[in-house]
Amino acid sequence: KAGVTQTPRYLIKTRGQQVTLSCSPISGHRSVSWYQQTPGQGLQFLFEYFSETQRNKGNFPGRFSGRQFSNSRSEMNVSTLELGDSALYLCASSTGRRDGYTFGSGTRLTVV
Amino acid sequence: DQQVKQNSPSLSVQEGRISILNCDYTNSMFDYFLWYKKYPAEGPTFLISISSIKDKNEDGRFTVFLNKSAKHLSLHIVPSQPGDSAVYFCAANRDDKIIFGKGTRLHILP
Repeated sequence: KAGVTQTPRYLIKTRGQQVTLSCSPISGHRSVSWYQQTPGQGLQFLFEYFSETQRNKGNFPGRFSGRQFSNSRSEMNVSTLELGDSALYLCASSTGRRDGYTFGSGTRLTVV
Repeated sequence: DQQVKQNSPSLSVQEGRISILNCDYTNSMFDYFLWYKKYPAEGPTFLISISSIKDKNEDGRFTVFLNKSAKHLSLHIVPSQPGDSAVYFCAANRDDKIIFGKGTRLHILP
């Protein structure tokens, strides 16, 4: 059974650019959540999508956006990149059970 | 405002001894708690969970204790093994949203 796949694994962008990250959930999982991990802040919740609708949103600026497609794949977009956006971005898909979250290996974004 | 707090950034424990990782939360509406383990270059993996209606849940070497009145939970690992060296995240869940703490890095010493 394939796990959660995130692409790309690594990304280097310059300030001001925009970036799109992709997440393919486990087959059958309809919920996809995104998290940002930084050394000082741990895992911070960005947003959650379920059946193509954003169901929950964390406290991030509007530069961070996402969407989910009909096949449950999700993308996250960050516009006007800032140095502080450098982080590991993790995607998790869920069965709907509270302990059913499975994380991908993440996309390491470096903004220079 | 940090709703889930792990106040110890790191912890070192001798192999074979008990590891105790602590977590505090502020929101009394949380009704489900989880622990995740994370190795470098990998995503977090689910370890163990507990519902707010319980005060203890055990799974092999891992036991989670919940003290609702103190808004405190702890993860006990006994005996600790070298493969337990990782970052452990405490998380709380409510309404399909999971809030994580900042993590505690556990070092198991030989």
